[in-house]
Amino acid sequence: KNEVEQSPQNLTAQEGEFITINCSYSVGISALHWLQQHPGGGIVSLFMLSSGKKKHGRLIATINIQEKHSSLHITASHPRDSAVYICAVRSWETSGSRLTFGEGTQLTVNP
Amino acid sequence: NAGVMQNPRHLVRRRGQEARLRCSPMKGHSHVYWYRQLPEEGLKFMVYLQKENIIDESGMPKERFSAEFPKEGPSILRIQQVVRGDSAAYFCASSPRTADNSPLHFGNGTRLTVT
Repeated sequence: KNEVEQSPQNLTAQEGEFITINCSYSVGISALHWLQQHPGGGIVSLFMLSSGKKKHGRLIATINIQEKHSSLHITASHPRDSAVYICAVRSWETSGSRLTFGEGTQLTVNP
Repeated sequence: NAGVMQNPRHLVRRRGQEARLRCSPMKGHSHVYWYRQLPEEGLKFMVYLQKENIIDESGMPKERFSAEFPKEGPSILRIQQVVRGDSAAYFCASSPRTADNSPLHFGNGTRLTVT
């Protein structure tokens, strides 16, 4: 079992829909990152969380440390949101320097 | 303020050749991380370096792979005697400090193709 599990693997939505991507992890963590990877492959860091909730524009990220679960929400989705969204954790149980990544969620938003 | 710069963007090598991938971190960042993304797979940690020091290389294959981050110049990931299985996207990220909650900034990656 992977230390970081994302769901769903693939998600197709219509423009304007509210989207949720989930991330569960099995190790103790010091931080959780949400990343966005566009076609063409560049990676952008969206959020870094250690507790609570963060909001940036139409994106919201939440984390529940007790349940070892995080969600990324996109409100009023747009075709330009189409990308792979990756959850990654920094675990104090393994090595403080490395990130462990989920497999990613491929999001397609249709106009 | 330029972001993390990786070059080349695309690199083609024949089996047995050497590949050198370069990463210039953001200005003021002294911590560099290398990650590999194999086709149809997720990102995997390879190595973490600070200036002139390898801090954690637990994700690096034991043979043919090496990394450095000299006092002057970019960080280099070197793959000797490349094989087809080395074909992947290699990403570099940098951070300003080592604390667990340092934000990471990624480069656009180098896509290595071994023919």
